[in-house]
Amino acid sequence: GAVVSQHPSRVICKSGTSVKIECRSLDFQATTMFWYRQFPKQSLMLMATSNEGSKATYEQGVEKDKFLINHASLTLSTLTVTSAHPEDSSFYICSARIQIDIDTQYFGPGTRLTVL
Amino acid sequence: SQQGEEDPQALSIQEGENATMNCSYKTSINNLQWYRQNSGRGLVHLILIRSNEREKHSGRLRVTLDTSKKSSSLLITASRAADTASYFCATPQGSNYKLTFGKGTLLTVNP
Repeated sequence: GAVVSQHPSRVICKSGTSVKIECRSLDFQATTMFWYRQFPKQSLMLMATSNEGSKATYEQGVEKDKFLINHASLTLSTLTVTSAHPEDSSFYICSARIQIDIDTQYFGPGTRLTVL
Repeated sequence: SQQGEEDPQALSIQEGENATMNCSYKTSINNLQWYRQNSGRGLVHLILIRSNEREKHSGRLRVTLDTSKKSSSLLITASRAADTASYFCATPQGSNYKLTFGKGTLLTVNP
């Protein structure tokens, strides 16, 4: 159990376009989801915390107008990279957490974004 | 700033040998977690050790925690080529229990 999926797994887009990444908890309801960014050979950097039905909380230095997060249901959170530029190319990973077990986060497989 | 700092940054060993990775952190914690990441993939939760525990085992994994030194170690015994991956420690912080990850150790197990 506790499977988290991400879609798409890979996306290549032109500079200036917007890209939406979906994060779904497949067999549980996630009250909280997290979005991370990871550059090659580096660690995960938390971008934002997303609670169902409320606005996301962004980490310092993360532009909320650039990275739009929507957590409309208990099983789905989306990250939209608006007006993408080459420097936005990265590996984006989401995770989901169940309220009754706040210690454990379940991670999605990640989305590789390449902006040309 | 990074809460967890792993060392070494990279470790290369032969199959069958043991691999030890260390993690240090800065603030007080409720628990510390270890994750594995295969290249280009998501993270897999390996083991969680609580602040009142000193040692924990799971299969070939052994984790220790020394809260006085603010450090933890992950030992993988009898390593296999399939253990090749990056290993990260992480600590939950704040009211949202968000995880802060260390820089990770890239483990390569040569067959």
